[in-house]
Amino acid sequence: QVQLQQSGSGLVRPSQTLSLTCSVSGASITTPAYYWTWIRQSPGKGLEWLGYIYFNGGSYPNPSLRSRLTISRDTAQNQFSLHLTSMTAADTAIYYCARDLQTGYGVAFDVWGQGTAVRVSS
Amino acid sequence: EVVMTQSPATLSMSPGERATLSCRASQSVRSNLAWYQQKVGQAPRLLIYGRSSRATDLPARFSNSGSETEFNLTINGLQPEDFAVYYCQQYSFLPRTFGPGTRVEIK
Repeated sequence: QVQLQQSGSGLVRPSQTLSLTCSVSGASITTPAYYWTWIRQSPGKGLEWLGYIYFNGGSYPNPSLRSRLTISRDTAQNQFSLHLTSMTAADTAIYYCARDLQTGYGVAFDVWGQGTAVRVSS
Repeated sequence: EVVMTQSPATLSMSPGERATLSCRASQSVRSNLAWYQQKVGQAPRLLIYGRSSRATDLPARFSNSGSETEFNLTINGLQPEDFAVYYCQQYSFLPRTFGPGTRVEIK
């Protein structure tokens, strides 16, 4: 059974960097069938796809956040991480990690982390 | 980016009824669409994606239809556990984008 466990701070000061980690069990982040994704949800913007990291370590951040967002991984720990710089109140949201299942029949976020409520406040 | 819209925003239904939720894409996404269900305090849950791929253990009362820009999710015979918010999401283009959701509430 695949599980994603999120960790990281839920309170970030304005202009600081948000760092979240997603630990994966039951699957390897280097398996070609999967990409590993970050998604956030806020009342104002709904569900927003932030980006993913591929099985080979390449990544694709949402162009709207490209200058601020880095997605990285630690294959030894089977984890992937999000780093979002220059945080503002607009970044207040619930952040989710998810597995992006790539199949010949389609693509889907089939496993999700528990979510981390992030608040930007001084 | 592809803009997804959903209608109605809220659907007031009684248990046992059929619910039809609509999703529209601002440009053709072929059949590259997924549906998710979200309950309060939980992460979204995958329901259906592509032409007919279903999440494990998804009840048969859930079905999808449509392609290109117009899609539907149908729930035949609403059960108490089906009252939730439903989102569509396209994966034809990057960035992936979600609709704003349809809330299915008990009438």
